[in-house]
Amino acid sequence: NAGVTQTPKFQVLKTGQSMTLQCAQDMNHEYMSWYRQDPGMGLRLIHYSVGAGITDQGEVPNGYNVSRSTTEDFPLRLLSAAPSQTSVYFCASSQDRHAAQGVTGELFFGEGSRLTVL
Amino acid sequence: GDSVTQMEGPVTLSEEAFLTINCTYTATGYPSLFWYVQYPGEGLQLLLKATKADDKGSNKGFEATYRKETTSFHLEKGSVQVSDSAVYFCALTNDMRFGAGTRLTVKP
Repeated sequence: NAGVTQTPKFQVLKTGQSMTLQCAQDMNHEYMSWYRQDPGMGLRLIHYSVGAGITDQGEVPNGYNVSRSTTEDFPLRLLSAAPSQTSVYFCASSQDRHAAQGVTGELFFGEGSRLTVL
Repeated sequence: GDSVTQMEGPVTLSEEAFLTINCTYTATGYPSLFWYVQYPGEGLQLLLKATKADDKGSNKGFEATYRKETTSFHLEKGSVQVSDSAVYFCALTNDMRFGAGTRLTVKP
């Protein structure tokens, strides 16, 4: 039972480079989201999606793009990486999509992707 | 806006000690409240939840009660084990806000 799968687990980038963090879930969840985790700040929501073709911004969207072409996949793109984007990134999904702005139920998390931007 | 405030860590306890991790919140409406746990090298996983006032969530010996009058959802465990060492996050729905996390270390 795979759940939420994130790749890569580790990545080092140089300032200005671009990359995509992949996220896939096999639970047929409509809601998917990306968080970043920084020391002392908990998790902050970057972008989320309540279904294929629908995405919206979270608390810290600047510098990140997302798309949702299928129910299963929700990639996060960094177009021009900056040192401030050094963080651990988590993808999460949920079967609940009660409100357009978010989720009312349990989130299922991937194992995280540690990104370092030099 | 909605927010969650957790007690700052780290917290270090001896095995079998009593644990309390404080969590308070500000929110509009009647959110559901959650505690998530993150073990070393892993993603977060749900520990317990409560969906309305006075509900008590419980799991693995941990408990938390949804107190609307004090806007709190404190996490408690009567006797911690070394295996409980992890980072604990309080969270609420309404954009799924998370607290900063509290790192717990339990020593034998």
